Order: sequence, then structure tokens, then C-alpha cells
Amino acid sequence: DTAVSQTPKYLVTQMGNDKSIKCEQNLGHDTMYWYKQDSKKFLKIMFSYNNKELIINETVPNRFSPKSPDKAHLNLHINSLELGDSAVYFCASSHLDPPEKLFFGSGTQLSVL
Amino acid sequence: GESVGLHLPTLSVQEGDNSIINCAYSNSASDYFIWYKQESGKGPQFIIDIRSNMDKRQGQRVTVLLNKTVKHLSLQIAATQPGDSAVYFCAENAGGTSYGKLTFGQGTILTVHP
Repeated sequence: DTAVSQTPKYLVTQMGNDKSIKCEQNLGHDTMYWYKQDSKKFLKIMFSYNNKELIINETVPNRFSPKSPDKAHLNLHINSLELGDSAVYFCASSHLDPPEKLFFGSGTQLSVL
Repeated sequence: GESVGLHLPTLSVQEGDNSIINCAYSNSASDYFIWYKQESGKGPQFIIDIRSNMDKRQGQRVTVLLNKTVKHLSLQIAATQPGDSAVYFCAENAGGTSYGKLTFGQGTILTVHP
């Protein structure tokens, strides 16, 4: 009965490959997010979707493409992976009030070799 | 740009002591603040939040204090336990139009010694 679940937990791949990370929430929340955590533990927002509509795009390279098939799912596809994409990617969700009270998944550790 | 920062990157305490983790923020338009705990290999976990119309809020063993005059936020953990060892993040929204966007501080590593 995990609230926010993302797969895979670990992803190791070569430079230039394309990969996807999936996220699902069963909290009934309207808004979902992708955050990136770098090696220094710094967390930064990438995208936010509300009811399948993109509302935040934080100047992320267009190699990153989020897709929300329904409000319970938000996937992240990354094309032409680069070394600098190595990080932990967290999915999160929130309800209407307050929208900033985020519930995070357990993260996907992406290693680009 | 606007940012949230922490004074101390690491904090070591003895079990049973009280812990205080500090955070400075710079965006005076922020009206919502939140503390997260992140254990190794896990995602950030909500601890406590506070709106800018309050200066103190208490939870179970935790208290958040907000000083808007000096743009300072603190998290107090009473009777710290080894299970409290983790990285703690403060975060702020960007005011009324942020709609779920949080700006995180750098994190403080709390180590609790038995």
C-alpha cells in the first residue's frame, strides 16, 4: 500500500541511451512532480503536473520529457543520456491544500556510465 | 536568485539530548515552510510545516519556529533518538503563485550517538 511508488529503484545505463522512470500515486492527489537530487543532496524541482497538465517546467533540457497519462501517474523519459544526468530522481505528489506539502517516492538512482 | 540555506551542514548529538537545526531563507514572499527528514536510500519524509502567519508550531517531539524578521526557521527535536539520524531539509514556497514549487535548503546531517 505504498503511497508514491516509482520504478526502477536503480538504473545503470550507458551514455547516449534512452530510459524511462515510472511513478504512480494512490493518494488521490491532483498534482505530481519530478525532483532531482544531486550528489551533494541538493533537491531541485524539474516538473509539475496538475490533472495531467504541465504547470511547472524548470528550464530542464528538452531531452527530459514528462508524460502524465492520468492524474495518478507521471513518467519521466530521458533521451540521449549524459554523464551529468547521474542523480537520484524523486517523484512526489500533493493535494490542493497546501499544494506544497509533498509526499515523495523512494527515488530512482540513475547512473550514466 | 532566491535561496534557502542552512548554517550547519552536520550536527552530532547524544541520545536523549535536544537537537536544533537552523535554516535561513531569503525570499520574503514565501508564506509556507516545511521540514523534511531523509534517511539513507529513502525519499524525503514530511515532518512538520508552518505558515507565515504563525511563529511556532508543535508536533510530536518536534517544534518549528519561524522568525520572519530575520528570515530564520528552526527545527527542534526533543529527546533525540538514534532513529532521528538522517539528513534534514528545510524548504520554502515562492509565495502565492508557487503552486507546489518548493525551494530546498542544502540539508543538515544529524547524527545521534547512543
